[in-house]
Amino acid sequence: SQKIEQNSEALNIQEGKTATLTCNYTNYSPAYLQWYRQDPGRGPVFLLLIRENEKEKRKERLKVTFDTTLKQSLFHITASQPADSATYLCALDVGRGQAGTALIFGKGTTLSVSS
Amino acid sequence: EPEVTQTPSHQVTQMGQEVILRCVPISNHLYFYWYRQILGQKVEFLVSFYNNEISEKSEIFDDQFSVERPDGSNFTLKIRSTKLEDSAMYFCASSGQGITEAFFGQGTRLTVV
Repeated sequence: SQKIEQNSEALNIQEGKTATLTCNYTNYSPAYLQWYRQDPGRGPVFLLLIRENEKEKRKERLKVTFDTTLKQSLFHITASQPADSATYLCALDVGRGQAGTALIFGKGTTLSVSS
Repeated sequence: EPEVTQTPSHQVTQMGQEVILRCVPISNHLYFYWYRQILGQKVEFLVSFYNNEISEKSEIFDDQFSVERPDGSNFTLKIRSTKLEDSAMYFCASSGQGITEAFFGQGTRLTVV
């Protein structure tokens, strides 16, 4: 079955630094990959989507890369701020876009940014 | 900004009872989903729903679960006979046409006692 691993359960960094989160997957060839943010007790909030034919995507201070050969995505937050502290989830579509956005999620990496 | 709304925010039920969790997806969306998250664990896909029928479901979504879109705005998840292990946060989500992001509601925390 498909498996998604987010290598670090927790990541602590200083304000202003770049946070890099890793997502690895096995037994699957996703058409695209998504990253979400989840705050405690809240629903996931969409951040970025990257397709299999895209190497990199950016949105403001966020950047995501997608290497289908390594089966890995990296998620970067530059100039991190305490407000970026949250759990970040990597997600793959299991329906290849044919059933909407049926996602399997990684367990997440909890980022803490200290000032 | 349009959002997915879920009610109730918290529901406590006795084991063996039926529960219905309710959701109002974003109005022009076509795909609707239920996910659950057991405390401290990952978000798990349950079911996707399109054109008034289930389009995809996971192993978790067994015969005790059912979904319905009773009218043009609501989307419900019914658990027929709740078990202790059904205690979790249940998230409703919706998305538009094509490969796009899912919009999640704030969740219903279900506690089975």
